Amino acid sequence: AQSVAQPEDQVNVAEGNPLTVKCTYSVSGNPYLFWYVQYPNRGLQFLLKYITGDNLVKGSYGFEAEFNKSQTSFHLKKPSALVSDSALYFCAVRDILTTTDKLIFGTGTRLQVFP
Amino acid sequence: NAGVTQTPKFRILKIGQSMTLQCAQDMNHNYMYWYRQDPGMGLKLIYYSVGAGITDKGEVPNGYNVSRSTTEDFPLRLELAAPSQTSVYFCASSVQTAILNTEAFFGQGTRLTVV
Repeated sequence: AQSVAQPEDQVNVAEGNPLTVKCTYSVSGNPYLFWYVQYPNRGLQFLLKYITGDNLVKGSYGFEAEFNKSQTSFHLKKPSALVSDSALYFCAVRDILTTTDKLIFGTGTRLQVFP
Repeated sequence: NAGVTQTPKFRILKIGQSMTLQCAQDMNHNYMYWYRQDPGMGLKLIYYSVGAGITDKGEVPNGYNVSRSTTEDFPLRLELAAPSQTSVYFCASSVQTAILNTEAFFGQGTRLTVV
């Protein structure tokens, strides 16, 4: 079955430090992977995606993510966190080899960046 | 571009009432989705559609119905509102074909309270 897991409910990091938000996935075919961010009382905004090609994907606001097929992971990273990065982050996956090609989200990770 | 437009933004329903949440997109996207987000939780897929005239159940379809008579519109119907349907509802759309796959674009959400 298609699924995505975000093992951490919350990640705390000091401003200026690197951050990592973890995501692992399970699909029967090849995955399309996405990261979204949600600020309070707002809809979801797209950050970056992995479709094919380079395993390191760069996205908006200085974020990047590394696709690791052997570990079935797609962790979100940023070299230097900002207080304004504090938000709820969602990983999502599509299974492109199934007939029901739907987009499934993880439970979300709340990132808190402290000054 | 308007993108994905959801109406209404807020609604309070009494138990047993019915309502339709409207969703429209002007990007000619083939895929459309309805998700619900409960407090402190991730997004659960209610229904999705791969094109006009085609709909399919997601993870939590009970108590809801959808239709997709046009490419642009994907309304979500609640027939007999229950307190368990109190949530924030998000509509999204994307292009998913053999040669083009975009990220999902989200509406701003509809906050529904059933009392």
